[in-house]
Amino acid sequence: DAKTTQPPSMDCAEGRAANLPCNHSTISGNEYVYWYRQIHSQGPQYIIHGLKNNETNEMASLIITEDRKSSTLILPHATLRDTAVYYCIVRPRRDKAAGNKLTFGGGTRVLVKP
Amino acid sequence: DVKVTQSSRYLVKRTGEKVFLECVQDMDHENMFWYRQDPGLGLRLIYFSYDVKMKEKGDIPEGYSVSREKKERFSLILESASTNQTSMYLCASMLSGSVTQYFGPGTRLTVT
Repeated sequence: DAKTTQPPSMDCAEGRAANLPCNHSTISGNEYVYWYRQIHSQGPQYIIHGLKNNETNEMASLIITEDRKSSTLILPHATLRDTAVYYCIVRPRRDKAAGNKLTFGGGTRVLVKP
Repeated sequence: DVKVTQSSRYLVKRTGEKVFLECVQDMDHENMFWYRQDPGLGLRLIYFSYDVKMKEKGDIPEGYSVSREKKERFSLILESASTNQTSMYLCASMLSGSVTQYFGPGTRLTVT
């Protein structure tokens, strides 16, 4: 799986958009970008994923650069409940469960301030 | 919404005790996973199961066993708990062919 680099922490004002960057310069053509987050003392929560097109769902938007070497997760209107560690993961889609284990790096610790 | 529940949020056990951690999912997912999460070490896969009665070792299976007698339930067993098994244990489930894992709330186990 390709290595990812994320800033260790960032602050965001409540009600503003939070833009979380992720670098994945060694990404392969068949690798997807996934985002999960983990609120303190809870299990990780899936947010969104994409291959090359930008994606949006009810939680967030994912913007992937044309060369696919980096991406940005956008939380459009951050709330205090969005305070969490956000993990960017790059890996191919695998059919067998054996290949689907998740490995989280350090992630970005996001603090949403009132 | 997919729901993954774990039997306990917090558990304190003594060294040498046999410990059972239970995980139940309500979405008919074929795949279930047990991870542990430790500061500085991230998420590590202990065991996973891709069908009833089927199981495979993950990266750190030593000291653990699992049981999957029913599709919705995946149990993690610590045969003889040790202090180095103090950790946050996370269960996840996933539909075959999907890319999304759904996690339970976690069980924080302390072995004294």
